[in-house]
Amino acid sequence: EAQVTQNPRYLITVTGKKLTVTCSQNMNHEYMSWYRQDPGLGLRQIYYSMNVEVTDKGDVPEGYKVSRKEKRNFPLILESPSPNQTSLYFCASSYDRGGGYTFGSGTRLTVV
Amino acid sequence: QKEVEQNSGPLSVPEGAIASLNCTYSDRGSQSFFWYRQYSGKSPELIMFIYSNGDKEDGRFTAQLNKASQYVSLLIRDSQPSDSATYLCAVNTGNQFYFGTGTSLTVIP
Repeated sequence: EAQVTQNPRYLITVTGKKLTVTCSQNMNHEYMSWYRQDPGLGLRQIYYSMNVEVTDKGDVPEGYKVSRKEKRNFPLILESPSPNQTSLYFCASSYDRGGGYTFGSGTRLTVV
Repeated sequence: QKEVEQNSGPLSVPEGAIASLNCTYSDRGSQSFFWYRQYSGKSPELIMFIYSNGDKEDGRFTAQLNKASQYVSLLIRDSQPSDSATYLCAVNTGNQFYFGTGTSLTVIP
């Protein structure tokens, strides 16, 4: 089944404790992206990648890092999480930058 | 000014009616336009996309694009209670995608 797999689905952590949210797709898509979704603000792009080793900032990149060492994986790293990063996070992939996304199931992150 | 604007609703229509959802975008260079549906607690799922001016139909759904007016709409014919969800408009500009905040639709049986 074609899908984007994110882990974990739920995560509660403390301020400053480094964490990684994994994302993997099995569709050989070139374009991958991370979004956060907050009430009233909608989906905002954090980082995107157009291919292996090619990443760029979206609209809200502060406090986040990404890497794209393999085509299928695009992890999101929070090196020192803060409470304002409490949000619902989605990973998404597309065959190219002009195509529609397939979204992962989401990761609900709470930073206390 | 936001890149993509949608009326947040809520929009309520009776079962069997036509639901009309609207979206405007700010960048005239935008190239691709998408409609997603998001059920509460779930991830967005792609309904349809449109690249060229005019209408595109897929089953009960019709997307309409007017680049001169920077306007995209989604019509849902014969609305069903299962169509009750939040509908997100998205626009591809350059290498980035921008989403509206969504319109909540309720179809009343």
